Amino acid sequence: DGGITQSPKYLFRKEGQNVTLSCEQNLNHDAMYWYRQDPGQGLRLIYYSQIVNDFQKGDIAEGYSVSREKKESFPLTVTSAQKNPTAFYLCASSKPGTGRRGYTFGSGTRLTVV
Amino acid sequence: AQKVTQAQTEISVVEKEDVTLDCVYETRDTTYYLFWYKQPPSGELVFLIRRNSFDEQNEISGRYSWNFQKSTSSFNFTITASQVVDSAVYFCALSVNSVNAGNMLTFGGGTRLMVKP
Repeated sequence: DGGITQSPKYLFRKEGQNVTLSCEQNLNHDAMYWYRQDPGQGLRLIYYSQIVNDFQKGDIAEGYSVSREKKESFPLTVTSAQKNPTAFYLCASSKPGTGRRGYTFGSGTRLTVV
Repeated sequence: AQKVTQAQTEISVVEKEDVTLDCVYETRDTTYYLFWYKQPPSGELVFLIRRNSFDEQNEISGRYSWNFQKSTSSFNFTITASQVVDSAVYFCALSVNSVNAGNMLTFGGGTRLMVKP
């Protein structure tokens, strides 16, 4: 079945450490997105990519970096510059033109700083 | 720029009650799409419905119904005879048919629905 796979489901990071969250899709979608969700809060856009080898900053890109070397993959790195990284991270993908179902979401990665 | 407002941050009902989740949107585009997603405790957002701006017909799917009114820029979601399994966070979202917008979804802040037995 097609879908989006995010890994790991839970991730613990020490202060000052960089960590990378994986997002892989086999839906043949061109666009991919990363969102951050804090407890009791809505979704905030971190980065998005409309096409391979291109990506754009979202509303809260500081302290994060991404790459889009393959259509299927859009990893997110949380760097040590991100002062408050504890949150739930959601990856999504879509076809151009939003498509019938808007975005397809992964199951998320819960990142905790220890 | 687009904006979606879900004024109700939390709603608590007793099972079998009807409940309406409000969604108000803002956009200058004439062609746009509205969505509702459900986020159960597991975390993944699940698509519920999509509506385009030219279709104001209300939709019913089982216990779920949606009321789209362009005159008030609202796209409200009603659950009839709520059940405990309906407990989740519900997000309303908007996208516009614009190359510049990049087909981005703008999300509301979400409404947490708690259905008590």
